Amino acid sequence: GQQLNQSPQSMFIQEGEDVSMNCTSSSIFNTWLWYKQDPGEGPVLLIALYKAGELTSNGRLTAQFGITRKDSFLNISASIPSDVGIYFCAGQLRRGGATNKLIFGTGTLLAVQP
Amino acid sequence: DVKVTQSSRYLVKRTGEKVFLECVQDMDHENMFWYRQDPGLGLRLIYFSYDVKMKEKGDIPEGYSVSREKKERFSLILESASTNQTSMYLCASSVGTNYEQYFGPGTRLTVT
Repeated sequence: GQQLNQSPQSMFIQEGEDVSMNCTSSSIFNTWLWYKQDPGEGPVLLIALYKAGELTSNGRLTAQFGITRKDSFLNISASIPSDVGIYFCAGQLRRGGATNKLIFGTGTLLAVQP
Repeated sequence: DVKVTQSSRYLVKRTGEKVFLECVQDMDHENMFWYRQDPGLGLRLIYFSYDVKMKEKGDIPEGYSVSREKKERFSLILESASTNQTSMYLCASSVGTNYEQYFGPGTRLTVT
């Protein structure tokens, strides 16, 4: 199956730093979602984006739907230790006809040093 | 809040055993999904369902089957477990044509 290219693969930062990560694809997407997964748990939905150029915030998190529809970005401001986890992007690729399948990125592992 | 529950957090089974993984959602969602998650491979879709008694193959259906007899419950079945099915299994659900999927806590299955 198709996967999204997500970068960076991992990040090791100091508490208080800002974080940026992104997902890219060669295909056009109609929807972008960002999830966070804590160790041993299921992914939790953070932000959903539905329009090209859309910028949406959830607390210290901000995500954008790229204008080309082929990428998305997630920023975390003033990181704290509980931001530790794996962040996944996911996109909905419309192939014609109704489909609710998502394609997932490979994940970005975030470690925050207190 | 949407709640998706999975029957077990950890499971250890022997090779050749039949394994049932249960998933229940309490938000009347039409769509339900089963994924497996492996290091370096991300989330891979095994099967999904848009309605009761309806199922469609995902990207890696081999060695698995599913059952959806009630709207809130979606079961993943390993007919004869093998060691290469050791993995984290995640269930998710979504409503109608909405693409936002909500995940359960996962079942970590070990096949020895």
